[in-house]
Amino acid sequence: NAGVTQTPKFQVLKTGQSMTLQCAQDMNHNSMYWYRQDPGMGLRLIYYSASEGTTDKGEVPNGYNVSRLNKREFSLRLESAAPSQTSVYFCASRTSGNTDTQYFGPGTRLTVL
Amino acid sequence: AQSVTQLDSHVSVSEGTPVLLRCNYSSSYSPSLFWYVQHPNKGLQLLLKYTSAATLVKGINGFEAEFKKSETSFHLTKPSAHMSDAAEYFCVVRRETGGTSYGKLTFGQGTILTVHP
Repeated sequence: NAGVTQTPKFQVLKTGQSMTLQCAQDMNHNSMYWYRQDPGMGLRLIYYSASEGTTDKGEVPNGYNVSRLNKREFSLRLESAAPSQTSVYFCASRTSGNTDTQYFGPGTRLTVL
Repeated sequence: AQSVTQLDSHVSVSEGTPVLLRCNYSSSYSPSLFWYVQHPNKGLQLLLKYTSAATLVKGINGFEAEFKKSETSFHLTKPSAHMSDAAEYFCVVRRETGGTSYGKLTFGQGTILTVHP
C-alpha cells in the first residue's frame, strides 16, 4: 500500500496561472480532505469529500475548486493563482467509525510569484 | 464551534530531560483528540489518539497524553527527550457528532520542539 500520494511535490506558478494538485489513496477510504499549512496557523481545511460524489467547503475554500473523480482520487484546482495561495498543501483520507484516523500525504509545496 | 490552543509555540529541552507540550481544547460535542508530529519537510504522522476510552493514552516513540475533561486539556509528555524528537507537534480535535461537521479536524497552531545535545 502506498497510502496517500500527492503530485507534484513542488510547484512554482506565476500570478494568474492555473494548476491542479492531484491526490490518490489506495486504502479504500470514503472521506478525503485538502488542507493548507501556513507558518503559525496549523493546518486549515480547504475542502473535503465525505464520500464519492460529494464535496463540501471547509474553512478557507475561496480561490479553490475540487473534484472527487472516484473513490480513490480527489483533486484540488487553483483557477487563477494568487501569492496568498503560496503554502504547503496536504491531502488526507479517512475511513469511518469511532476509532478512525486521518492519513496524510507527503504534501505539495506551492509558490506563487 | 470547536477550537484548539497550543500554549507554547516553541519548546526547547536538553536530550534526556522530560518533554511537556501543552494543549487546551474547546468543543460543544464529545471530541476525539489527537497529537500529530511533523518532521522537517515531511507529512504528518499520528502519534496518539484519545477516543473516550482510557484517559491516559500511550503513543509511538514513548509519548503519552492524558485527557482531563475538567481542565479541557490534552497535554503531551515524554519522560526522556531524544534528538530525533525534534519536530513540530500538532494537537487536533475532531468533532464526533453533529451533522455535516462530523469527522472534521481542527488543528492547533503547532509547537516546535527543539532538543539540545
